[in-house]
Amino acid sequence: GAGVSQTPSNKVTEKGKYVELRCDPISGHTALYWYRQSLGQGPEFLIYFQGTGAADDSGLPNDRFFAVRPEGSVSTLKIQRTERGDSAVYLCASSFSLAANSYNEQFFGPGTRLTVL
Amino acid sequence: GENVEQHPSTLSVQEGDSAVIKCTYSDSASNYFPWYKQELGKGPQLIIDIRSNVGEKKDQRIAVTLNKTAKHFSLHITETQPEDSAVYFCAASRTTSYDKVIFGPGTSLSVIP
Repeated sequence: GAGVSQTPSNKVTEKGKYVELRCDPISGHTALYWYRQSLGQGPEFLIYFQGTGAADDSGLPNDRFFAVRPEGSVSTLKIQRTERGDSAVYLCASSFSLAANSYNEQFFGPGTRLTVL
Repeated sequence: GENVEQHPSTLSVQEGDSAVIKCTYSDSASNYFPWYKQELGKGPQLIIDIRSNVGEKKDQRIAVTLNKTAKHFSLHITETQPEDSAVYFCAASRTTSYDKVIFGPGTSLSVIP
């Protein structure tokens, strides 16, 4: 595909349920990022993958949130026991990481809008 | 912790006028400052960026300035057009081991025809 894709585009769930959000990065991009964007706010960093490993998960708000990238391409963000406060747009981005000390543009997907009732 | 502040939160200008958005950052180790444009229902898209060794950069109607001493940076859009209407985010990053980006809260720009 031409860009980062995310599915589903919208997800409505009930409090306490489990949800999975999927991200398909741009082919060949080794770095993948998850962000959460609440209404009227900027994206907030959650987790960063370099290849298959989570290099930095310091942004995950608590242990209900978990993300995987088993083959170094597609990633899934998993939220257990959802709460109303988890309602937000979850954005995924990918980049082609080169050497350290060089910034590589992050390309964002359209996001998944999660609503927890 | 790292923080990026941005103002104004909303900005309305007449078509053809200029728009200025200002940001400050707290992490003195930040050395890369991208600006993103986000249209309704879409993800943010990079429109221009500036590195810490440069004080100003221009790309057609868009320019960015950086004052590392004061930890300020700004976005200037000249000759605004209705299609410039969107939410703009400034951001700061350290280009060390990876590219964690800290975003500002955003500015909603409306260009009135």
